[in-house]
Amino acid sequence: NAGVTQTPKFQVLKTGQSMTLQCAQDMNHNSMYWYRQDPGMGLRLIYYSASEGTTDKGEVPNGYNVSRLNKREFSLRLESAAPSQTSVYFCASSWQGTGELFFGEGSRLTVL
Amino acid sequence: TQLLEQSPQFLSIQEGENLTVYCNSSSVFSSLQWYRQEPGEGPVLLVTVVTGGEVKKLKRLTFQFGDARKDSSLHITAAQPGDTGLYLCAGVRGNKLVFGAGTILRVKS
Repeated sequence: NAGVTQTPKFQVLKTGQSMTLQCAQDMNHNSMYWYRQDPGMGLRLIYYSASEGTTDKGEVPNGYNVSRLNKREFSLRLESAAPSQTSVYFCASSWQGTGELFFGEGSRLTVL
Repeated sequence: TQLLEQSPQFLSIQEGENLTVYCNSSSVFSSLQWYRQEPGEGPVLLVTVVTGGEVKKLKRLTFQFGDARKDSSLHITAAQPGDTGLYLCAGVRGNKLVFGAGTILRVKS
């Protein structure tokens, strides 16, 4: 089983460029999430989607947008990348908001 | 300031030693989850504790949830190199999951 699949795994951007991180899950989960992980900061929630058709801001939403394309797919877009957005991004899914999270392998983004 | 404080931040021990990592907060959580993350991978759930005072065992790992549901601990007996990784606690508040910063564990053979 694929579980949660993220693409790309690595990306280097210049300041001001835009890009979209893609995420897909094959577990029929209702909820999907985007986190960023920085050294010493743990996982911080950027945006989440409790169910198809809904999205909500997390702790650190500034500079990001999301789209819940369908039940399987949840994308994260950086419209104008900044060096402060250099991080490892994780997509996750769960049956419900507070249940076990299933994570993808992460996408390492560097903004120069 | 982290809502969930984990300590220590980093732990390096020899194979066979015992260790405890802590997850503390001033807030009450309805439940708490522990995840382990290996380099280059996403976190994987180890256990969920729900009841104050609950103790759960997973082979050599023992998880405890504080009576007041504000803190938790993870104790590993006879650590092995395969236990190396980042250990994250995550507390459930309302409909959100809040993560601590994690404890990096390195077990040397």
